[in-house]
Amino acid sequence: AQSVAQPEDQVNVAEGNPLTVKCTYSVSGNPYLFWYVQYPNRGLQFLLKYITGDNLVKGSYGFEAEFNKSQTSFHLKKPSALVSDSALYFCAVLPSGGSYIPTFGRGTSLIVHP
Amino acid sequence: EAQVTQNPRYLITVTGKKLTVTCSQNMNHEYMSWYRQDPGLGLRQIYYSMNVEVTDKGDVPEGYKVSRKEKRNFPLILESPSPNQTSLYFCASSLRLSGTEAFFGQGTRLTVV
Repeated sequence: AQSVAQPEDQVNVAEGNPLTVKCTYSVSGNPYLFWYVQYPNRGLQFLLKYITGDNLVKGSYGFEAEFNKSQTSFHLKKPSALVSDSALYFCAVLPSGGSYIPTFGRGTSLIVHP
Repeated sequence: EAQVTQNPRYLITVTGKKLTVTCSQNMNHEYMSWYRQDPGLGLRQIYYSMNVEVTDKGDVPEGYKVSRKEKRNFPLILESPSPNQTSLYFCASSLRLSGTEAFFGQGTRLTVV
């Protein structure tokens, strides 16, 4: 069975500093990996995904994520955080064998301080 | 505009009173699913549907029912709600294509007293 771990419940960063939200996964075979963001009182929005190819994936709002197969990680990054980036971030994994049932992590609350 | 629409957004009900949360998508997606979100537990899948008349249990199906009579609609039914079903519920849809991302509704906050 697949699983996703987001080891930090909360990440605090100052505006303008780089941010990292961590995600590790466990899945049989090759993974499809996703990041979603949830703003207050809203549903989840897709940010970016890794399917195959370049390990560095660029997504919406200046976010990027790096796939590391040996460490089974898919950390979300942004070079310069904005206060408006404050939200709840979810990592999700799908096995590449045709399943459409993603497994989500528990979420990480990102707080960007002015 | 491509979207997943849930109704109602907020609902307070009493134990045992049957309720239905509706979900509709306008993207012709085959795959639809329901999640509940609880603090510290993240998103847990309740039920999913691969296509019309095809549904299956997710991780936490107890106390819930679903139906998929039309491609665009996937209602969540609580026949006899209990307080432990107080939660934030999300409907999601996606293409039935491996590796595609999901589109989520805005959520339904349900309180059962």
